[in-house]
Amino acid sequence: GDSVTQTEGLVTLTEGLPVMLNCTYQTIYSNPFLFWYVQHLNESPRLLLKSFTDNKRTEHQGFHATLHKSSSSFHLQKSSAQLSDSALYYCALSTGGYKVVFGSGTRLLVSP
Amino acid sequence: NSKVIQTPRYLVKGQGQKAKMRCIPEKGHPVVFWYQQNKNNEFKFLINFQNQEVLQQIDMTEKRFSAECPSNSPCSLEIQSSEAGDSALYLCASSWENSDYTFGSGTRLLVI
Repeated sequence: GDSVTQTEGLVTLTEGLPVMLNCTYQTIYSNPFLFWYVQHLNESPRLLLKSFTDNKRTEHQGFHATLHKSSSSFHLQKSSAQLSDSALYYCALSTGGYKVVFGSGTRLLVSP
Repeated sequence: NSKVIQTPRYLVKGQGQKAKMRCIPEKGHPVVFWYQQNKNNEFKFLINFQNQEVLQQIDMTEKRFSAECPSNSPCSLEIQSSEAGDSALYLCASSWENSDYTFGSGTRLLVI
């Protein structure tokens, strides 16, 4: 079945350093939708980015990601981490049905 | 403030008791989902609806949960006989077909 892999459970960074959170996926569907959701402490997840176009960079709130179907990846990046970026980040996959499959999440901790 | 309204925010039940939570999806969204987020922050899909009809559900939900999404009334998820392992955050989300989710604030269930 469909799956999403986020290899890092925890990423710790100093403020100002670049962020990269890994996401790879598996599906036989040729036109997947990929999403990044962010969940701050005691809040519900909210959409950060989404894409279904191969090799096209998508950006929002300083974060960006590019869907690469050749490598089945959708890594999340930001050039300079801020303290307020500390949160849980989930990569998710939709394959044209109604259900979204979530990765296990990556906790990002940004310190001063 | 989320456009998906979940109540109650917190729910405490004894083992064997029924536990019921409700969700009003974002206006116009035809698809409603329930997920369980455990203490490890992992998402488990429970059930989804499109226009009051069940689309998919997992075995656990079929056996121990009852859920419905009547027209002109809130959707609901009820655990028939709560178990300690059901303690989790229950997230309701709604969406258009094949689109990103809007999540509610969640119902945090504690089974003691």
